[in-house]
Amino acid sequence: GQQLNQSPQSMFIQEGEDVSMNCTSSSIFNTWLWYKQDPGEGPVLLIALYKAGELTSNGRLTAQFGITRKDSFLNISASIPSDVGIYFCAGLADNGGGSQGNLIFGKGTKLSVKP
Amino acid sequence: NAGVTQTPKFRILKIGQSMTLQCAQDMNHNYMYWYRQDPGMGLKLIYYSVGAGITDKGEVPNGYNVSRSTTEDFPLRLELAAPSQTSVYFCASSYTWGSYNEQFFGPGTRLTVL
Repeated sequence: GQQLNQSPQSMFIQEGEDVSMNCTSSSIFNTWLWYKQDPGEGPVLLIALYKAGELTSNGRLTAQFGITRKDSFLNISASIPSDVGIYFCAGLADNGGGSQGNLIFGKGTKLSVKP
Repeated sequence: NAGVTQTPKFRILKIGQSMTLQCAQDMNHNYMYWYRQDPGMGLKLIYYSVGAGITDKGEVPNGYNVSRSTTEDFPLRLELAAPSQTSVYFCASSYTWGSYNEQFFGPGTRLTVL
């Protein structure tokens, strides 16, 4: 089945630094979603992307839907301690006639921020 | 709106016991999902439902059963618990299917099978 390769697996950064993470696949996707999961909680949707090339921001977060439709990245600018958590990418693969209904998740990027 | 709620938050089971994980949503979403999350892994889809009375298997359905008698509720049943089912279980719901499938998640149930 389709897989999403998310990198890096983990990041340790200083408060104030910018962060970048990405997801890639060998399959074409029609939708990319970025989620954040705090410890002991469920994932919370941060940004949704629906068109190739689309660039969308949510506060200090910016995500892009790759032109090839096989990748997406998430940037966090000027990180703060509350950015700590696990960030997941998720996508809806193109089944040749539209989108499959079931999301495929990456394994997550664990972000640690040193004050 | 409470969103997606799950109970219990934690549970320890002995091998062979059974239990039901409860999930409810108050957003009038037709689509509901059950995932499991193992350490260091992404979420794997167990079962999903596209509406009351309709359910289908996801990627990892073995050892689980579901039912959907109402739009609001989507319980997950473990009949004979096994250590391999130790995981965190998340329920999710969405308004649409396909390209605009923005799923909203509950807080999770942490299950340990000993």
